[in-house]
Amino acid sequence: EAGVAQSPRYKIIEKRQSVAFWCNPISGHATLYWYQQILGQGPKLLIQFQNNGVVDDSQLPKDRFSAERLKGVDSTLKIQPAKLEDSAVYLCASSPITGQIYEQYFGPGTRLTVT
Amino acid sequence: GQNIDQPTEMTATEGAIVQINCTYQTSGFNGLFWYQQHAGEAPTFLSYNVLDGLEEKGRFSSFLSRSKGYSYLLLKELQMKDSASYLCAVKNFNKFYFGSGTKLNVKP
Repeated sequence: EAGVAQSPRYKIIEKRQSVAFWCNPISGHATLYWYQQILGQGPKLLIQFQNNGVVDDSQLPKDRFSAERLKGVDSTLKIQPAKLEDSAVYLCASSPITGQIYEQYFGPGTRLTVT
Repeated sequence: GQNIDQPTEMTATEGAIVQINCTYQTSGFNGLFWYQQHAGEAPTFLSYNVLDGLEEKGRFSSFLSRSKGYSYLLLKELQMKDSASYLCAVKNFNKFYFGSGTKLNVKP
């Protein structure tokens, strides 16, 4: 089966510019996650969707970050305006719902550099 | 808050056994997961534990003690391709909380 797809793979922007990332999860996976991974750290959850509804966005900096998952499939994460500290890899992951235990499948990530 | 600790870096020799520890303090617990992440790549799932004890999966084993808030990942017969970061993640309801990862260097 095809994995989680993300684009672009790399992006360089200047501070105060806007940027958008796209994610296509594994077909049939109901749950979609966006993580931010700063170099040398573990992934930090930004937002979690269940189908097209938001389950958790408590760590999403809502003054500059937004995300949507229209029709419960693809998702877009946007940053506007970007700050230097947003430089990180943005990982998208998806998972099915099978009982209480399920693993996440990660996409290759988008490496963002803000200058 | 959630606190997950792992050693930052470890070095081991090809063919040897290495144990990567993870301690956690979280407000809830629904499972502990281990992921492998090669440099510049996405994390890939290795194993999970829900109940206390050892789970074995080929060259990889993972152990959990919920009362101690402790887990370890055991890698046997190390190969050069095992050089990667190993992430410990605790699942609390629907959320996954990740440690900072342990970078494992395997030497010939």
